[in-house]
Amino acid sequence: GQNIDQPTEMTATEGAIVQINCTYQTSGFNGLFWYQQHAGEAPTFLSYNVLDGLEEKGRFSSFLSRSKGYSYLLLKELQMKDSASYLCAGAGGSYIPTFGRGTSLIVHP
Amino acid sequence: DTGVSQNPRHKITKRGQNVTFRCDPISEHNRLYWYRQTLGQGPEFLTYFQNEAQLEKSRLLSDRFSAERPKGSFSTLEIQRTEQGDSAMYLCASSLGTGQETQYFGPGTRLLVL
Repeated sequence: GQNIDQPTEMTATEGAIVQINCTYQTSGFNGLFWYQQHAGEAPTFLSYNVLDGLEEKGRFSSFLSRSKGYSYLLLKELQMKDSASYLCAGAGGSYIPTFGRGTSLIVHP
Repeated sequence: DTGVSQNPRHKITKRGQNVTFRCDPISEHNRLYWYRQTLGQGPEFLTYFQNEAQLEKSRLLSDRFSAERPKGSFSTLEIQRTEQGDSAMYLCASSLGTGQETQYFGPGTRLLVL
């Protein structure tokens, strides 16, 4: 099984950079996902990491350290529309993600 | 729009009634997943299908819950004798089924049991 831990809530200022951390304990690790979920909407895929290191996609980057059981999502040049819940999910042997509770990010002017 | 669709979007029912939800995945996706999400929590895995075969079920899926995917395309999730604790958002997702399984979620069905 999987155990995912991430902060409940974070706040940041428009234009700033924020890092959302996630630690996981897993059996049969097959990668780590990040999803964004706006209130009342379905989760949307942001990133997938299976190898150690940083993957960059525009304003969003995701990092994975398998030896430390650690990942983070980095959001640059924050915009008000980035206010959402960010879900960390670890994939096990059958690639089914186990989701954390999500980190609610509030971006203020 | 060729994304994942779910019907109905909202359902209000009385305790003890049966409800059925439908999910239509992205057409070329072999895997289909059902999740349940309550306020302040991440999605909780319920079950998934590879084509028409139901390969895994969570311990969360009590015997009142049943899911089918008869032709390997759309799926239905039925809850019998609903309880107030069943109130949640029921999310469906699909993926290619070829390895790295990025899931694409539908808009969900919000169930309220009175």
